[in-house]
Amino acid sequence: ILNVEQSPQSLHVQEGDSTNFTCSFPSSNFYALHWYRWETAKSPEALFVMTLNGDEKKKGRISATLNTKEGYSYLYIKGSQPEDSATYLCAFPYNNNDMRFGAGTRLTVKP
Amino acid sequence: KAGVTQTPRYLIKTRGQQVTLSCSPISGHRSVSWYQQTPGQGLQFLFEYFSETQRNKGNFPGRFSGRQFSNSRSEMNVSTLELGDSALYLCASSLNRGYYEQYFGPGTRLTVT
Repeated sequence: ILNVEQSPQSLHVQEGDSTNFTCSFPSSNFYALHWYRWETAKSPEALFVMTLNGDEKKKGRISATLNTKEGYSYLYIKGSQPEDSATYLCAFPYNNNDMRFGAGTRLTVKP
Repeated sequence: KAGVTQTPRYLIKTRGQQVTLSCSPISGHRSVSWYQQTPGQGLQFLFEYFSETQRNKGNFPGRFSGRQFSNSRSEMNVSTLELGDSALYLCASSLNRGYYEQYFGPGTRLTVT
């Protein structure tokens, strides 16, 4: 059984705070690691697809790092804003495209 | 470019009935995946279709089936509905398989009474 674990389950921060969350995945047979943002009443939206050990990706105030040898990825948000409030999901494509999603980290940013 | 569309958006069915959900991927996308989301369970992978063939299937009973047409549009069917099938069903399309990001549709909210 392939498990993708995310922590913490939820997070409450103040506007302007920087924050980070973790995604753990099996380090063997690594193929890629996806990050998605899922806002309430919307569809999940792709943030990053990471494929190389040591990869760092950035989109605005959001960035992610990847360690395939130890099986984890971090997502960072710098200077959180209320519009960053969402559930952040990571996913591991097992067997090419059988996507295994973590349970997500629910972020709430208070103004 | 038009996004992923799903029809219908909402559906109410009775136990024992069957249902068909439809998904139209982004033009040019060849892979379509289906997911079930229930409270407390997160996104669960149902199956993936690529070039009209089912390539992967998640851990769901045979009552859940699907198909993909030559224009990449996909349908999923659930027969003999159970109360536990009440969920949000999302489809996602991607250009190809594996490390391509997925684009999700708005989902179909199915309620089984």
